[in-house]
Amino acid sequence: AQSVSQHNHHVILSEAASLELGCNYSYGGTVNLFWYVQYPGQHLQLLLKYFSGDPLVKGIKGFEAEFIKSKFSFNLRKPSVQWSDTAEYFCAVRNTGNQFYFGTGTSLTVIP
Amino acid sequence: DTGVSQDPRHKITKRGQNVTFRCDPISEHNRLYWYRQTLGQGPEFLTYFQNEAQLEKSRLLSDRFSAERPKGSFSTLEIQRTEQGDSAMYLCASSLQGLDYGYTFGSGTRLTVV
Repeated sequence: AQSVSQHNHHVILSEAASLELGCNYSYGGTVNLFWYVQYPGQHLQLLLKYFSGDPLVKGIKGFEAEFIKSKFSFNLRKPSVQWSDTAEYFCAVRNTGNQFYFGTGTSLTVIP
Repeated sequence: DTGVSQDPRHKITKRGQNVTFRCDPISEHNRLYWYRQTLGQGPEFLTYFQNEAQLEKSRLLSDRFSAERPKGSFSTLEIQRTEQGDSAMYLCASSLQGLDYGYTFGSGTRLTVV
């Protein structure tokens, strides 16, 4: 069975600090990788996605993620977080069957 | 494009009652998905439709759950004889067919079974 692991359950940072959220998946075949964000009281929104090509992908709001195939990882990064980045972040993997598998999420709190 | 709409936003029901949720996807999206999200967890796949055909169902979807998409547009998810363990956020998402597309999620229906 496929799984997605997000090791950081809750992260607290001060504004302007750098962010890296870990994501590892278990699936040996071709996958598409995603990061979704859920702001308080809002629905899930796509931050960025990786299908193929350059393993460093850039998303909205200054976020980026790097796909490292050998490590089965797709970590999310942002050089300088803002208070408005406070949200829940979900890593997701989609296999060739078009079904998404989500991690348990990482709650990010940014302190002004 | 008004996004994916779900109705109602909140539903409180007594154990044993039946409930039905509705999802209106983005109009040109032919794929529609239902997910369930409980506190502290990521969304878990329940089922998905391509047009009106239900192509896949998760083992999480017990016999008390049924989903339809009769005309390939909106979808309904019904839970019969609700149990307290059914309390969760039920999410609908839609997408175009093909692996190049991500999902667009609705805001969800929060079900509380008392």
